[in-house]
Amino acid sequence: QVQVVESGGGLVKPGGSLRLSCAASGFTFSDFYMTWIRQAPGKGLEWVSYISSSGFSIYYADSVKGRFTISRDNAKNSLYLQMNTLRAEDTAVYYCAREHLHCNGANCYRWFDPWGQGTLVTVSS
Amino acid sequence: SYELTQPPSVSVSPGQTARITCSGDALPNQYAHWYQQKPRQAPLLVIYKDTERPSGIPERLSGSSSGTTVTLTISGVQAEDEADYYCQSADSSGTFVVFGGGTKLTVL
Repeated sequence: QVQVVESGGGLVKPGGSLRLSCAASGFTFSDFYMTWIRQAPGKGLEWVSYISSSGFSIYYADSVKGRFTISRDNAKNSLYLQMNTLRAEDTAVYYCAREHLHCNGANCYRWFDPWGQGTLVTVSS
Repeated sequence: SYELTQPPSVSVSPGQTARITCSGDALPNQYAHWYQQKPRQAPLLVIYKDTERPSGIPERLSGSSSGTTVTLTISGVQAEDEADYYCQSADSSGTFVVFGGGTKLTVL
């Protein structure tokens, strides 16, 4: 079945780095945009970044721009998030999700399904 | 930055109809999508492109759109519908994704 599975979370000190991975299966990975979304403890959902199917188009939320790097390896059906200069406010469950993209003329619309179970990143000294 | 506004909470008795709204200035030009999140679970897509329902989602969940407001309607609410619900859309360019703050649906 279609699924994505995250890994790589853990405890890291402020200023440290961590690399998250997401393994995809059950669909043609190279055909889809992919996305990272996070959720701080007890809080709502926050979009982090997405990457196009080829990897050439990438966007970040302002809160992580310049510190996080999204990438993918289509040969390995894998998505990654390199997180540097981590802050306490980056503490969250990080979800990987397959993106559905529909463009109609100049407008594009995107939604996410399925989501993985998430991996917890805790930034604390 | 662009925002989507949802009520923090909605309460309804079993069998009644729950309506959860989501407001945003770009919604006349951007579709909205809805996710259900139960405790300790990942979000689940329940409505996409304002009104479309993925396979496996009960027909009692439906979506509608009017101007700058979209609405998730749950008819004949059941105890299993108790969850947090998030709307999601994008800015007018379709580039930057935004989520609403979430609505906690309580089944009394």
